[in-house]
Amino acid sequence: DAGVIQSPRHEVTEMGQEVTLRCKPISGHDYLFWYRQTMMRGLELLIYFNNNVPIDDSGMPEDRFSAKMPNASFSTLKIQPSEPRDSAVYFCASRPWGSYEQYFGPGTRLTVT
Amino acid sequence: RKEVEQDPGPFNVPEGATVAFNCTYSNSASQSFFWYRQDCRKEPKLLMSVYSSGNEDGRFTAQLNRASQYISLLIRDSKLSDSATYLCVVIYTGTASKLTFGTGTRLQVTL
Repeated sequence: DAGVIQSPRHEVTEMGQEVTLRCKPISGHDYLFWYRQTMMRGLELLIYFNNNVPIDDSGMPEDRFSAKMPNASFSTLKIQPSEPRDSAVYFCASRPWGSYEQYFGPGTRLTVT
Repeated sequence: RKEVEQDPGPFNVPEGATVAFNCTYSNSASQSFFWYRQDCRKEPKLLMSVYSSGNEDGRFTAQLNRASQYISLLIRDSKLSDSATYLCVVIYTGTASKLTFGTGTRLQVTL
């Protein structure tokens, strides 16, 4: 079975550029989560969706961040404009209804110069 | 104060040793608890859930102390392959979908 798929795996961009991260959750999972991980702050939940609907975006740092889930098999996290402090590993995770266990993708390592 | 606190380590132990990590949480309305494992430059993966009565999975034992608001993970007979970061995770009552992660404790098992 394919796990959670994320692309790109690495992204290097210049400050001010738009960055789009992509995620394909595990088929049949109702929940999708976006996290950011840094050395200083650890893993932080940015936003999560249930059945493609955003439920809690209180972790989104500011208006430069936006996330969409147009269908059950695809989600994007967009940063526009990007800043060096956005450099982190961004993980997407999904889980089925009725389970607490979240399955993480391999992450996208973002570097903003 | 962070909601979920862990000693970052690293804990350096020889193969075969027993090692224990603690994690404290600040919100008493905490419902469920887990340990995740994260290998270097990899994604986190569920290691085990933590039940009120304590639970064991092979060489791993997890304990919960609600009165003192901490959970623990004990690893017996450490293996080189146990080297990783161990993340304490809490779910608060009423937020069943949100995992709150500690920053992790790094374990390095050596020969």
